[in-house]
Amino acid sequence: DQQVKQNSPSLSVQEGRISILNCDYTNSMFDYFLWYKKYPAEGPTFLISISSIKDKNEDGRFTVFLNKSAKHLSLHIVPSQPGDSAVYFCAASARLIQGAQKLVFGQGTRLTINP
Amino acid sequence: DVKVTQSSRYLVKRTGEKVFLECVQDMDHENMFWYRQDPGLGLRLIYFSYDVKMKEKGDIPEGYSVSREKKERFSLILESASTNQTSMYLCASSLPPWQGNEQFFGPGTRLTVL
Repeated sequence: DQQVKQNSPSLSVQEGRISILNCDYTNSMFDYFLWYKKYPAEGPTFLISISSIKDKNEDGRFTVFLNKSAKHLSLHIVPSQPGDSAVYFCAASARLIQGAQKLVFGQGTRLTINP
Repeated sequence: DVKVTQSSRYLVKRTGEKVFLECVQDMDHENMFWYRQDPGLGLRLIYFSYDVKMKEKGDIPEGYSVSREKKERFSLILESASTNQTSMYLCASSLPPWQGNEQFFGPGTRLTVL
């Protein structure tokens, strides 16, 4: 049962245009959402996050939008740059025991920025 | 900067071998995690630990065990490797949620079981 879904395995965008990556979730208990970026042969690196009490968070070229009623979040990158080409993972946070926090990841979307 | 290191970037093992994957973090994080990443499946949690000598199963613990004897070190053990355990293994660490929600990942170990 995939609780976090990224339905687009890949996305190709022209340099300078906007990239929009989408993510859907099913568990209404998730209270925090994160985006990670992963280059080949490297571990994922944290990009941006949003708490469930907000509907938007912005950091430079990156903005995450959360629509709780639709259980949907999106990552906007504008303007897109060649260095943004990577696999992007959406993750949702669920509490575990003793204060540990579990991240449930989507399948990932491979973003390619074309010059 | 938080640093999470993994003992090997690439490993090739034979079916039935015992495999140890080591992870070390240098930021005094309480929580540590082992994931595996497979195409089309994203990252799936194998085991996690919230304190020394404490461990809990994640979503796919079968065929794996873990050890945390020191706070900075978390080991993943494949008791008898099988070909379906060929994967990218990622270790992560984090503070408690009230101090931050991000998990910090190591570079990964690509394990091939022949």
